[in-house]
Amino acid sequence: SQQGEEDPQALSIQEGENATMNCSYKTSINNLQWYRQNSGRGLVHLILIRSNEREKHSGRLRVTLDTSKKSSSLLITASRAADTASYFCATFSGGYNKLIFGAGTRLAVHP
Amino acid sequence: NAGVTQTPKFQVLKTGQSMTLQCAQDMNHEYMSWYRQDPGMGLRLIHYSVGAGITDQGEVPNGYNVSRSTTEDFPLRLLSAAPSQTSVYFCASRQSQGIVDTQYFGPGTRLTVL
Repeated sequence: SQQGEEDPQALSIQEGENATMNCSYKTSINNLQWYRQNSGRGLVHLILIRSNEREKHSGRLRVTLDTSKKSSSLLITASRAADTASYFCATFSGGYNKLIFGAGTRLAVHP
Repeated sequence: NAGVTQTPKFQVLKTGQSMTLQCAQDMNHEYMSWYRQDPGMGLRLIHYSVGAGITDQGEVPNGYNVSRSTTEDFPLRLLSAAPSQTSVYFCASRQSQGIVDTQYFGPGTRLTVL
């Protein structure tokens, strides 16, 4: 079974709105990573948050981590049509070498 | 830097055929991995390697073999292709240094097994 599970599976919003995606995981983690995948392409690393961090920002991205609830959220502010993509969270499982991905959230941003 | 490269981009096989998917990276990363992605799903880890000569199984290793003779190359072999192996295959290499921990993905190989 997958370590991370994203919610919602799909999200449709208008340009300028904020998009929030959630990720839950099962075991203790060292860090949690978010990736983006444009249709038909490989994944691109967005941001990493360590287990001792609660919040991290990068441009229009804001990631939070709640280790007590084993959950993380990714917020994209002021979304653009170019943000349309699938977003995945990933954590290490069974040691520090197996990076396991969730099923992803498909985000559609309409002009 | 070319980053992570994969060949071929597309491949059609018949059931029972074997083939090798190539992956190379020029970033001198020790850690490399192979994932498969089925439609509408996330990535599932097939095999990974933490350095030349060292490989280990991921979540879905059956039907696949890997070897790592050099830091740069990490080929994935399908021993006897089955329709269930129809998928998009991604290779990744990992930079893990200090506070940086990032996976770099190749563009993928789209495989169809008839």
